[in-house]
Amino acid sequence: DSGVTQTPKHLITATGQRVTLRCSPRSGDLSVYWYQQSLDQGLQFLIQYYNGEERAKGNILERFSAQQFPDLHSELNLSSLELGDSALYFCASSAYRDPAPGNTIYFGEGSWLTVV
Amino acid sequence: DQQVKQNSPSLSVQEGRISILNCDYTNSMFDYFLWYKKYPAEGPTFLISISSIKDKNEDGRFTVFLNKSAKHLSLHIVPSQPGDSAVYFCAASAQSGNTPLVFGKGTRLSVIA
Repeated sequence: DSGVTQTPKHLITATGQRVTLRCSPRSGDLSVYWYQQSLDQGLQFLIQYYNGEERAKGNILERFSAQQFPDLHSELNLSSLELGDSALYFCASSAYRDPAPGNTIYFGEGSWLTVV
Repeated sequence: DQQVKQNSPSLSVQEGRISILNCDYTNSMFDYFLWYKKYPAEGPTFLISISSIKDKNEDGRFTVFLNKSAKHLSLHIVPSQPGDSAVYFCAASAQSGNTPLVFGKGTRLSVIA
């Protein structure tokens, strides 16, 4: 158990709909990262928040947005869903701002999203 | 544009032998490298890392080698055990900038008893 909690674990929704994925980081961790893993793809970085502020942005679509709340949990909002958005979405957390020795990034078990 | 490449999607090794997983990167700014291991239905878990100031880091049965001039790193597992069967992801980051971890596509290791 990494200590990173993601809900829901599985979600099936229709094209055009909107969903919210939730992430609770490890206790005390200030950084939250979101990654997407599609079939046969590696982990694609979407976005990082550090202590409530956006820290880094990757290949995140305009239809997707995220935020980190004062209690440090984070939500990833996916809207106008398309079939190609079906993927495993991972949340990760770390104590500090940047990947570095001593700042291990811990991953949750992921949220499986299926768009039909 | 894949900055971190794992060119072998899969690898099979006999129990007790050495497993060697390879990773290449293109971004010369990367200076921190990690390996993550992933079992089915679980999130990736950190395995071992190396900074660019070193060329080798060892942790038990796991050793990571870094060849900066070739922009290549490898993970050696000796001896391999059936429980090592998983997908291994190579990741890299540039500590100097706000660069998140960039992952490769992974290599599926099967250790055969």
